[in-house]
Amino acid sequence: AQKVTQAQTEISVVEKEDVTLDCVYETRDTTYYLFWYKQPPSGELVFLIRRNSFDEQNEISGRYSWNFQKSTSSFNFTITASQVVDSAVYFCALSEVYNNAGNMLTFGGGTRLMVKP
Amino acid sequence: GAVVSQHPSWVICKSGTSVKIECRSLDFQATTMFWYRQFPKQSLMLMATSNEGSKATYEQGVEKDKFLINHASLTLSTLTVTSAHPEDSSFYICSASQHPFGETQYFGPGTRLLVL
Repeated sequence: AQKVTQAQTEISVVEKEDVTLDCVYETRDTTYYLFWYKQPPSGELVFLIRRNSFDEQNEISGRYSWNFQKSTSSFNFTITASQVVDSAVYFCALSEVYNNAGNMLTFGGGTRLMVKP
Repeated sequence: GAVVSQHPSWVICKSGTSVKIECRSLDFQATTMFWYRQFPKQSLMLMATSNEGSKATYEQGVEKDKFLINHASLTLSTLTVTSAHPEDSSFYICSASQHPFGETQYFGPGTRLLVL
């Protein structure tokens, strides 16, 4: 069965520090998608990135970057030069294709990031 | 693009009443909508998946008679919490996706339900 583990439940950094949020997944499917979502205190989940299992290229979007490594089943998320507005809970999620009739997402437990000024 | 709205954002009700929550995809047609429940400081728990025009598929442990889901159109799904009790108080979030098989789910802003 699929599983997503975010071992860091809470991380606290000072503004301008870089921070990496870890995500490790388990799946028996050969085709799957990985996602990161941000949940600020307001509660709404904001989509950050979607990556399919065949694309291991790292991605950078502004201060955000993602490192996908199939060999270690990891999809880590790095925020460079963190800002107070980055404070939120971040969720990593997995969607299998062939073993998933309904396009369901399996979420990790989330990592609460606190960026202090 | 890919905006999902949810209404109401807050609801306080008395025990025993029913509460309806609406989820709308504003700028795309959603073949599938999902309903989640989230307790404080916890991850999202999938309650049910609904496809337009068909019955919702409920996750194990979710009472279908308690949480009625209707997906009447490609842009609207509703969740009705029937005979609400204090233990139903939670944050309810819907999401919508345009296509199956790995398509991104876009989330609504959530509804905070407090049952007194």
